[in-house]
Amino acid sequence: AQTVTQSQPEMSVQEAETVTLSCTYDTSESDYYLFWYKQPPSRQMILVIRQEAYKQQNATENRFSVNFQKAAKSFSLKISDSQLGDAAMYFCAYRIYWGGGSEKLVFGKGTKLTVNP
Amino acid sequence: DSGVTQTPKHLITATGQRVTLRCSPRSGDLSVYWYQQSLDQGLQFLIQYYNGEERAKGNILERFSAQQFPDLHSELNLSSLELGDSALYFCASSARLEEQSTDTQYFGPGTRLTVL
Repeated sequence: AQTVTQSQPEMSVQEAETVTLSCTYDTSESDYYLFWYKQPPSRQMILVIRQEAYKQQNATENRFSVNFQKAAKSFSLKISDSQLGDAAMYFCAYRIYWGGGSEKLVFGKGTKLTVNP
Repeated sequence: DSGVTQTPKHLITATGQRVTLRCSPRSGDLSVYWYQQSLDQGLQFLIQYYNGEERAKGNILERFSAQQFPDLHSELNLSSLELGDSALYFCASSARLEEQSTDTQYFGPGTRLTVL
């Protein structure tokens, strides 16, 4: 069964510095999708970044980038120039697709990121 | 703002009662997903609808049911409520077409259900 593991329940970073959140997953598929979602105190789930496994290039969105290591089944999120507004729970997610339009996301347990001024 | 709307934002009810949560997907999105977020279980997939038809089911309790209407909005019905059903319920939508690869799921703001 596909599982997603986030081994860091909590992380902290100083404002303007860089932090990396870890995520590993288990799958036997060769083509799949991975996501990072952010959940600030408002509880809204906000997409941060997505990665398609068949793409060699790591995805980047402004200050957010991923280090996707397919062989190691690792998908870490790097936040550069951290800002106070980055403080949130971060969830790593893996898309399970059964065909015929059937799919779901499997989430890790999350990493709570604190940004210190 | 993701474009996905959910009502109500908060719901407080008693054990044994029945409630209905409503979701309107982003304009043009055909797929709707329901997730439950609780402290002990984390984020769990409940059910997916695509263009009115059920497509995938997770660990959804028999006391829970959902449907998607012709205008594509969806409702999640929770009945015989128990204390343990207290959670944040999210709806997400995506513009998934049969022949295409997945689109991103965009989440609504959630409905916080408290069962007393």
